[in-house]
Amino acid sequence: RKEVEQDPGPFNVPEGATVAFNCTYSNSASQSFFWYRQDCRKEPKLLMSVYSSGNEDGRFTAQLNRASQYISLLIRDSKLSDSATYLCVVNGSPGSSNTGKLIFGQGTTLQVKP
Amino acid sequence: NAGVTQTPKFRILKIGQSMTLQCTQDMNHNYMYWYRQDPGMGLKLIYYSVGAGITDKGEVPNGYNVSRSTTEDFPLRLELAAPSQTSVYFCASSKTGTYNEQFFGPGTRLTVL
Repeated sequence: RKEVEQDPGPFNVPEGATVAFNCTYSNSASQSFFWYRQDCRKEPKLLMSVYSSGNEDGRFTAQLNRASQYISLLIRDSKLSDSATYLCVVNGSPGSSNTGKLIFGQGTTLQVKP
Repeated sequence: NAGVTQTPKFRILKIGQSMTLQCTQDMNHNYMYWYRQDPGMGLKLIYYSVGAGITDKGEVPNGYNVSRSTTEDFPLRLELAAPSQTSVYFCASSKTGTYNEQFFGPGTRLTVL
């Protein structure tokens, strides 16, 4: 089983649609979770951290279910500019070793069409 | 602040050649990382450093070496390049470890022929 697994897509949606991405992780001791966004041929950039209570940033909502080891990202009212690859990221060294090592999923590609 | 800078942007190597990928950050971050990203795949950690003089292996270290003599610089050395090292290489930095955002450089696209 992959350490972080995502549906690669692509997801092709019209503008204004709501789209949800799912991600599962294998290490139950993982402590920190993130969604990064990567535009074509660019570097990844942090979209949002994911907290146990769930968190929202404008049109974006992230949820964490520790019992199921599952993370989600919901994008409402999709814009053309949301077209990108979304990377699910989990810390790779849970426990006392604070190395900052991250495990990346392979990414889910979103294409928003007019 | 320039953030994380990487040079070169592109490089073509012949099998068996060596090169150094440069990475510099001006945010005074203690933690630095090297990743590679193959087409359609997530990033895989090659090496990381938690401070000047301290480095450790990541998930895919074979064929690479690093050094960290200053807080700002974290060069990645490829010895005896192989076609399997054709990839995009990203350097990243963060202030501390687990809970901090990692900031990425623009990447180096390397082709080994």
